[in-house]
Amino acid sequence: GIQVEQSPPDLILQEGANSTLRCNFSDSVNNLQWFHQNPWGQLINLFYIPSGTKQNGRLSATTVATERYSLLYISSSQTTDSGVYFCAAHQHQGGKLIFGQGTELSVKP
Amino acid sequence: DVKVTQSSRYLVKRTGEKVFLECVQDMDHENMFWYRQDPGLGLRLIYFSYDVKMKEKGDIPEGYSVSREKKERFSLILESASTNQTSMYLCASSSNPGRAYHEQYFGPGTRLTVT
Repeated sequence: GIQVEQSPPDLILQEGANSTLRCNFSDSVNNLQWFHQNPWGQLINLFYIPSGTKQNGRLSATTVATERYSLLYISSSQTTDSGVYFCAAHQHQGGKLIFGQGTELSVKP
Repeated sequence: DVKVTQSSRYLVKRTGEKVFLECVQDMDHENMFWYRQDPGLGLRLIYFSYDVKMKEKGDIPEGYSVSREKKERFSLILESASTNQTSMYLCASSSNPGRAYHEQYFGPGTRLTVT
């Protein structure tokens, strides 16, 4: 099956800074999702992005499927952005969602 | 908005007990999934279902069973709970037009402790 790798594993930012999180996948995928896991453990959907670029407020994501990576951009970070960010890819066979190990983001005031 | 709910946020059970975790979605989704999340191991798929009364094993089905009697409800059953099943359990659902697997939406999770 496919492998999904995220980088960096940890990131500490000062409030107001920008950041880029990366997700690499080892094979072609049907689709890709980005999630934010809040302090209570719930996975919040950020983007469903098989290719191209999407934006939602201060967050945007770009997936380049032919090069097997996706990027999540966070601009003007806020303390409420803290938490773990996961990317997950839908593999072609069976449609299973394969998660990366996550990037733990901490935004300091 | 899609809403996926789980019966409990926190649950404490004793070793050997039979445990039921319930998940309900309100978007008429065909697919439903059960994952567990453990530190250092990430999210792992236990079972999933693409239709009523249908189920398929995920990566770690041992020690678990599932039931899908109605489209909106997917239950995870621990027949005889053990301490190594202490974990965060997450339910998800997605639509399934033409057997394609679309965006998954997750419930709030259940933190299960088995003592």
